[in-house]
Amino acid sequence: QKEVEQNSGPLSVPEGAIASLNCTYSDRGSQSFFWYRQYSGKSPELIMFIYSNGDKEDGRFTAQLNKASQYVSLLIRDSQPSDSATYLCAVLLMDSNYQLIWGAGTKLIIKP
Amino acid sequence: EADIYQTPRYLVIGTGKKITLECSQTMGHDKMYWYQQDPGMELHLIHYSYGVNSTEKGDLSSESTVSRIRTEHFPLTLESARPSHTSQYLCASSEFLGEKLFFGSGTQLSVL
Repeated sequence: QKEVEQNSGPLSVPEGAIASLNCTYSDRGSQSFFWYRQYSGKSPELIMFIYSNGDKEDGRFTAQLNKASQYVSLLIRDSQPSDSATYLCAVLLMDSNYQLIWGAGTKLIIKP
Repeated sequence: EADIYQTPRYLVIGTGKKITLECSQTMGHDKMYWYQQDPGMELHLIHYSYGVNSTEKGDLSSESTVSRIRTEHFPLTLESARPSHTSQYLCASSEFLGEKLFFGSGTQLSVL
């Protein structure tokens, strides 16, 4: 069964610290990886995507991919209270008609 | 401004009623999707479309139907609503299948 696993949290991080969110996936055929942010009562919003092993940085966000270990992570530097949200990991499987498999999300709380 | 719109935002309806959830986008995207999301749970794909006159069932068809007569319009219809249909319904679009989805604001459906 193709799965994407995330720790549901909540993950509590002090303001200004680094928040580290992790996601593991089961299908080695996964090719593309996405992080979406979802504020309470709102829709998901794409914040990062990564295709290749290694790190990808965009502002305060860094996505890390390790295909051998089948995990992808999201680091948020200098965490702000506005970063408090649920972060959804999604994995694109090319052998499943290019459909996304979603994790249930990790709730992140940034404490002032 | 390019966007994706869903109406209604909230809907409370009795069992057995027929309902249509509207979704329109001005993004110019060919690919459109309907997802269902319950609190704290992953997104489940209900239906998707490659383009005009194309509709496909996802993992969770939930006794609903969709149509794609125009590129910008992708309505979802429940022929006979049941309490088990109570959920958040999210419409999304993308340029490429499964890649970088843009979501509407969602419809929160309650079936009594």
